[in-house]
Amino acid sequence: AQKVTQAQTEISVVEKEDVTLDCVYETRDTTYYLFWYKQPPSGELVFLIRRNSFDEQNEISGRYSWNFQKSTSSFNFTITASQVVDSAVYFCALSEADKASGYSTLTFGKGTMLLVSP
Amino acid sequence: NAGVTQTPKFRVLKTGQSMTLLCAQDMNHEYMYWYRQDPGMGLRLIHYSVGEGTTAKGEVPDGYNVSRLKKQNFLLGLESAAPSQTSVYFCASSYRVGKEQFFGPGTRLTVL
Repeated sequence: AQKVTQAQTEISVVEKEDVTLDCVYETRDTTYYLFWYKQPPSGELVFLIRRNSFDEQNEISGRYSWNFQKSTSSFNFTITASQVVDSAVYFCALSEADKASGYSTLTFGKGTMLLVSP
Repeated sequence: NAGVTQTPKFRVLKTGQSMTLLCAQDMNHEYMYWYRQDPGMGLRLIHYSVGEGTTAKGEVPDGYNVSRLKKQNFLLGLESAAPSQTSVYFCASSYRVGKEQFFGPGTRLTVL
């Protein structure tokens, strides 16, 4: 079973529409961290947000907002008034302790490609 | 600060050839990671290191070796390249457990 599921493979919207990218995770740890990364067409990976398992407060940063709900194991990402520059692949990731080594590693979802057209 | 750098940016190998990918970071981070990215698969962890001289296997370690002789460098080796290792390779580093990882620009490797 996937530890991080991004069920939406590709989403297409028109500029100024709001869009929500879904992320569902699976872990038995009580302490873990969730992340979102953006990968624009140029290929680099850009960190967007980090959230620890003890902080369920929603966060807003400009047009971006994140909704963390432990009850549903979800960490969804909403872009308000989307722009063409938001076109990218967005990855959700989970950091938890590796069972074999005890060290923390990052598990990525398969990503959601967002296409924003003018 | 350069952040995380990777050398080379592109490489084409023939099956059976060997090569080493170099990752360097100037942020004094303890943790370093190697991932591969394949279409529709997201990023998968190959190996990682929690400090100088220590390495551990990730999700897809077969066919790769790593070394961390200096804190700032993390090398990924392919001893006998196979077409299945055609991928984009990303290196990353982080300050400590649970902190965000900073990624290099990636290396596009093609094995013919």
